[in-house]
Amino acid sequence: DQQVKQNSPSLSVQEGRISILNCDYTNSMFDYFLWYKKYPAEGPTFLISISSIKDKNEDGRFTVFLNKSAKHLSLHIVPSQPGDSAVYFCAASWGYGNKLVFGAGTILRVKS
Amino acid sequence: EPEVTQTPSHQVTQMGQEVILRCVPISNHLYFYWYRQILGQKVEFLVSFYNNEISEKSEIFDDQFSVERPDGSNFTLKIRSTKLEDSAMYFCASYLEGGDEQYFGPGTRLTVT
Repeated sequence: DQQVKQNSPSLSVQEGRISILNCDYTNSMFDYFLWYKKYPAEGPTFLISISSIKDKNEDGRFTVFLNKSAKHLSLHIVPSQPGDSAVYFCAASWGYGNKLVFGAGTILRVKS
Repeated sequence: EPEVTQTPSHQVTQMGQEVILRCVPISNHLYFYWYRQILGQKVEFLVSFYNNEISEKSEIFDDQFSVERPDGSNFTLKIRSTKLEDSAMYFCASYLEGGDEQYFGPGTRLTVT
């Protein structure tokens, strides 16, 4: 099941710079997309979401961009901080409250 | 901040044994889920539960699995006869209708030997 793909297993960024995490999806029925962050031995923690009727959503240092024609979304973190180092999961669903389909995750390392 | 809790944090069991994983969802949430993550693999959906019944289940959720909300606070996942391949992190999640996200618990690591 490759409906949601995160093709970069890891990303290393210098503190203060921008982190860009990418996600692609194949199922055009998805209409809601989320980003979760996960630390070791913890459950996923919600970061930010976007509905398919929007192309951008911003929350503090975090911005998610959605390109429906390319079936692509990205998470921008500006500025990156060492505490942002974690695994970032992209997830998609058909509507709110329905099952989430996850990508494989991207390990982000922010170096100080 | 309210949170989803799960017990135990780690469960070791022998193949063929029954296990029950427990979750306490956030109190005013009405939608509940179980997901699992096998080491090195994606987080996978198992089952969703609403209004005291299963609303959706995945192919993984076969007859060996069951869920129950035995009282007003707990939500359990039972595996009747565990297999080696059931070894994984099991995450419970809950959702408030009208909200943005599913809230995840810290997970239970199930090790089947």
